[in-house]
Amino acid sequence: SSELTQDPAVSVALGQTVRITCQGDTLRSYYASWYQQKPGQAPVLVIYGKNNRPSGVPDRFSGSSSGNTASLNITGAQAEDEADYYCNSRDSSGNVFFGGGTKLTVL
Amino acid sequence: QVQLVESGGGVVQPGGSLRLSCAASGFTFSTYGMHWVRQPPGKGLEWVAFIRYDGSNTYSADSVKGRLTISRDNSRNTLYLQMNSLKTEDTALYYCARGAHGQLWSLFQHWGQGTLVTVSS
Repeated sequence: SSELTQDPAVSVALGQTVRITCQGDTLRSYYASWYQQKPGQAPVLVIYGKNNRPSGVPDRFSGSSSGNTASLNITGAQAEDEADYYCNSRDSSGNVFFGGGTKLTVL
Repeated sequence: QVQLVESGGGVVQPGGSLRLSCAASGFTFSTYGMHWVRQPPGKGLEWVAFIRYDGSNTYSADSVKGRLTISRDNSRNTLYLQMNSLKTEDTALYYCARGAHGQLWSLFQHWGQGTLVTVSS
């Protein structure tokens, strides 16, 4: 079973701000990373560490964390942001986890 | 640029074996840890296994321990996944992914396009 919990689906109006959350005890010790996956494509890393964006990821994507919850924030959501989003982290034993994924719909 | 190209997928009967390969280019393969991640059709991502840059240590998910084994050949810039005693629940698209250095080893910095494994009688 997944050690990280995500809401299955979230929607946002075009141009508005949305927060996608990821909960798990391991997040008290380790940062989450976030991945965007569009249909038929491989996942792409969008946020890692405290709040780091790989080169090429728009600055409307940001990350935050508090206690056992990590969040991916999209400020000014665009139509092309519609995708599945997955969080991932690890524990001290070398196990690596994904959340179940959140399907983001941009209305 | 970083390229990861998986191969070796196919249809196999339950209890059978398969070996997946991932050819890496565009970076110094021998200095990065590598992962296998899988995704059953229509479902979410599941981490499978990780191997350190020098092959000195591996980690794997409980669901595959003893059946799926990760290895690498740094002289060939290639990552492998030996899959034995396959079950129907191993049916998935298998991705190889590059980790990052140091404490960021457990994130997936670059991904291949995947190779499909179907376990069916």
